[in-house]
Amino acid sequence: EVQLLESGGGFVQPGGSLRLSCAASGFTFSAFAMSWVRQAPGKGLEWVSTISGSGGSTYYADSVKGRFTISRDKSKNTLYLQMNTLRAEDTAFYYCAKDTMVRGLFDYWGQGTLVTVSS
Amino acid sequence: DIVMTQSPDSLAVSLGERASINCKSSQSVLYSSNNKNYLAWYQQKPGQPPKLLISWASTRESGVPDRFGGSGSGTDFTLTISSLQAEDVALYYCQQYYSTPQTFGQGTKLEIK
Repeated sequence: EVQLLESGGGFVQPGGSLRLSCAASGFTFSAFAMSWVRQAPGKGLEWVSTISGSGGSTYYADSVKGRFTISRDKSKNTLYLQMNTLRAEDTAFYYCAKDTMVRGLFDYWGQGTLVTVSS
Repeated sequence: DIVMTQSPDSLAVSLGERASINCKSSQSVLYSSNNKNYLAWYQQKPGQPPKLLISWASTRESGVPDRFGGSGSGTDFTLTISSLQAEDVALYYCQQYYSTPQTFGQGTKLEIK
């Protein structure tokens, strides 16, 4: 059974940093791209970033490019999102999602972790 | 970026009746080399993450009831629930995965009338 468990969310002031983690199990982690998708409270879904199975390719939404860094650790089956220079508009639930063999199609999602950026 | 627009924003349907949600993309998501539409539908219930219902515009995921159906091609798509059940109350999102950034529609809230 595929499981994705996010952690690391919390309250941070504008300009601060946070690192999210997503522990994956139930599938061959290195065989699939992984993504982060966020959802501001009461709002719609926004793709944030994707990393290839090998970790060699990364993709970012323009809204986070230069501030967020996606990475993965094959030995720990864990996906990360390092978030720097956080802004109020980054406040959202952050979901870890597993891509299918087609990048950008998400077949499994974690429960999400809430990031709140406020002074 | 491809803009995805859903209609209506909200919908109230009686139990057992048909519900239809439309999704329009600002450019075609049909890939000519394989004749596939890169369009998915997700269901999100309150307090839960999204769940993939349909991929390739019309392919139901394993375990998804057959009352859920997807249709359309190119830029115009429809999610149809043939006979609404109480457990279908949720937000529904369409998404294109034809190009990066992958983009979602704004969501349609489905309720019981």
